[in-house]
Parts: sequence; structure tokens; C-alpha cells
Amino acid sequence: DQQVKQNSPSLSVQEGRISILNCDYTNSMFDYFLWYKKYPAEGPTFLISISSIKDKNEDGRFTVFLNKSAKHLSLHIVPSQPGDSAVYFCAASEGFNAGNMLTFGGGTRLMVKP
Amino acid sequence: DAGVIQSPRHEVTEMGQEVTLRCKPISGHNSLFWYRQTMMRGLELLIYFNNNVPIDDSGMPEDRFSAKMPNASFSTLKIQPSEPRDSAVYFCASSMGGGNQPQHFGDGTRLSIL
Repeated sequence: DQQVKQNSPSLSVQEGRISILNCDYTNSMFDYFLWYKKYPAEGPTFLISISSIKDKNEDGRFTVFLNKSAKHLSLHIVPSQPGDSAVYFCAASEGFNAGNMLTFGGGTRLMVKP
Repeated sequence: DAGVIQSPRHEVTEMGQEVTLRCKPISGHNSLFWYRQTMMRGLELLIYFNNNVPIDDSGMPEDRFSAKMPNASFSTLKIQPSEPRDSAVYFCASSMGGGNQPQHFGDGTRLSIL
């Protein structure tokens, strides 16, 4: 039973346009959500996070949106750059009382074409 | 600042041999996590430590797997005896204490059991 799902295994976007990556979850106890970026042969790199008390968090070109009622979050990258091409994982945590353990989605491969 | 350091980066060994993976977390981080990534199951948590104490090992697949954290700067994941189905990329991650802290990953160990 996958508690965190990324239904799009891949996404292709033109350079300069917006990339939107989606993630759905089923566990209503999740209260902290993160996005990681992963290049081949490297570990996942933390990108941006959001607490369940917020619905939006922005960091430069990256914005994460959280819709708690729909149990859905998304990552927007504007403008997309070829260097953004990577696999993106969303992750969720029940927080400190659960040891900050993360449950990961299956990942979405983003390809940004020049 | 040094990130999470894992060794070796690659390990190829024959079935039945003992395998030891090593991890040095980021200095000051008091939580450490071991993950396994496979095509079939994605990124899955094996075990995590808080202040060098194993807290949750429910993800460890079977008794052939064991993990230790003798001090705050070192952890090992051991597989004995190894089997071909253990072939995967193993990641170590660490985070600071407190709520809503992102985990920071090492670059992983690619393990191949022949």
C-alpha cells in the first residue's frame, strides 16, 4: 500500500517554461512534506519543504503547494532550466514524534529540453 | 561543510559473502537513516537511529541484515550472508534533532551480489 504516490513517471518540458510535478498521499497523519532532486550516481538532494500549517512555500525558482483536503502537493519550477533535468522525489513525514521518518514516492523523471 | 560520507561507493561480491557498508553522518546530526533503493520498491527505509540508539528497524528485510552505530560519527550496515536479491543502492542519511528537519543523503553504495 503506497502512502505517497507520484503518478507521472516522467515529464518533458521546454527550457524557460514551467515544470509542474505532482504528488498524492493517503496518510492523514503526514504533517511535513519535502521534495528531493536526484542526479544519476548521486544521493537525493533536499530541495524544498512545507509544513502542513502552510499551503505554499517558495524558494527562488521552486514553489511547493500543499492542498491538505485533497491530500495533494505539487512542485513548480519556473523557469525550467536544462540543469533541472533529474529525478524528483516527494516525501512525507508524520513529524518529530515519528522520528522524522520519511516515506518516499516513486519519483518523476524531469527532462528539460534546451 | 562535509556531507554524509558513505563507503565503499561500489561493492561487487559473491553470494554468501559478508558485506559491510559504512556511513559517516554530518557532524552535529543526531538522527541517522539507512535506505535501500531498487527498481521494484523504490526508496525504502531500513532502519533509523536517534542519538546512536536504534529506534525503528521494522524495514530491515530479514535477520541477515544488521546495523550498528557505535558512536555519533559512524554507522555500519552489514549483510551476512549476502544474496543476489540484496543487490541495490544503499543510502545513508542524517538529520538534526527536533521537528521538521530535512534528511541529507550520502551518494550511496551500489551493491552487486553475484
